[in-house]
Amino acid sequence: GAVVSQHPSRVICKSGTSVKIECRSLDFQATTMFWYRQFPKKSLMLMATSNEGSKATYEQGVEKDKFLINHASLTLSTLTVTSAHPEDSSFYICSVRLASGSAETQYFGPGTRLLVL
Amino acid sequence: AQSVTQLDSQVPVFEEAPVELRCNYSSSVSVYLFWYVQYPNQGLQLLLKYLSGSTLVKGINGFEAEFNKSQTSFHLRKPSVHISDTAEYFCAAAYNQGGKLIFGQGTELSVKP
Repeated sequence: GAVVSQHPSRVICKSGTSVKIECRSLDFQATTMFWYRQFPKKSLMLMATSNEGSKATYEQGVEKDKFLINHASLTLSTLTVTSAHPEDSSFYICSVRLASGSAETQYFGPGTRLLVL
Repeated sequence: AQSVTQLDSQVPVFEEAPVELRCNYSSSVSVYLFWYVQYPNQGLQLLLKYLSGSTLVKGINGFEAEFNKSQTSFHLRKPSVHISDTAEYFCAAAYNQGGKLIFGQGTELSVKP
């Protein structure tokens, strides 16, 4: 498998501020990473696909100007929640895609709990 | 539309009892299937996956799942659960190489002493 880390694990911020979340692939180079959002007692919602060296691909309904994604290297993708509001409070999880033969598997980070006051 | 359905939102069982968590997916020529486990306030950990080959897949922690093409199911089973298996379990499918993962709604497994 792949080892994925996220930083910070938990963050509390004031409404109107921006928060950056890092996702790192620790043991292999990932050309593609994914960002998910998870509400309490709910499944994961794909926000965007992060591609190294190019613009992220956002899912329908996700504001790309609010959730800025940068994938500047093969081991790091960042998600910046700009001008955060209480409704942005959530659990954010990233994943990396590891190719194995003809199929691929996603490995997930431990998640980041964001609380906007 | 492609979808994954987990038929039970909550499954309570007693320790050492067998358990089956059900998952159905929408039919497709090509599908890759996964089961993930999520412990409280943590990310998802891969339990097992079906990519091709043998329809009975064995994973970590004593779990296994069987790919049933005719019934479009991929149910997760464990013959004897432990308290530590208490967690949320997600079934997911990818419908082509490089495709997005489509998640089921999740099943909360609660193991009681």
